[in-house]
Amino acid sequence: QKEVEQNSGPLSVPEGAIASLNCTYSDRGSQSFFWYRQYSGKSPELIMSIYSNGDKEDGRFTAQLNKASQYVSLLIRDSQPSDSATYLCAVKKTSYDKVIFGPGTSLSVIP
Amino acid sequence: DAGITQSPRHKVTETGTPVTLRCHQTENHRYMYWYRQDPGHGLRLIHYSYGVKDTDKGEVSDGYSVSRSKTEDFLLTLESATSSQTSVYFCAISEEQHLREYFGPGTRLTVT
Repeated sequence: QKEVEQNSGPLSVPEGAIASLNCTYSDRGSQSFFWYRQYSGKSPELIMSIYSNGDKEDGRFTAQLNKASQYVSLLIRDSQPSDSATYLCAVKKTSYDKVIFGPGTSLSVIP
Repeated sequence: DAGITQSPRHKVTETGTPVTLRCHQTENHRYMYWYRQDPGHGLRLIHYSYGVKDTDKGEVSDGYSVSRSKTEDFLLTLESATSSQTSVYFCAISEEQHLREYFGPGTRLTVT
């Protein structure tokens, strides 16, 4: 079992819809969770971080964390074509542990 | 963009030759990292540094060495390049260890 798993996609949604990206992790002791966005040919960009169970909202983005079920998700409301990118989930166990990245989910928002 | 530059941005080299990639930051962050990104594997940590002359291995460190003689510069050396080291290499920096990392533009390395 990989430490951090994501559906590779591509996930296609129409413009204006909600895009839902999911990530599961294997280490129950994980404490910090991150979502990065990576446009094709570009470097990853941190867009959300979440540390406690529940929802965290930032503009059109909402990160959801459920430690009991070991999953973290990213919702993008009112999806725009500019949201088309690969979204990387990253998980960290403790302050001194390294970040483990998932393989990423490719999102395509269709105008 | 966070003040991170990488050089070169593209390089083609032959098997068996040494290669050095440079990461330079202007943010004065303590922590610096080298990752490689390959299809199907995502981002994997090669080495990281937690201060000048202080470095540690990541999950895919074999065949790579690093050096950090100044806060702003972190060098990655492929001692004898192999075709399996063809990849995109990203440098990243952070203020706290392995937390909220900011990535450089990347170096595309091809080993023929």
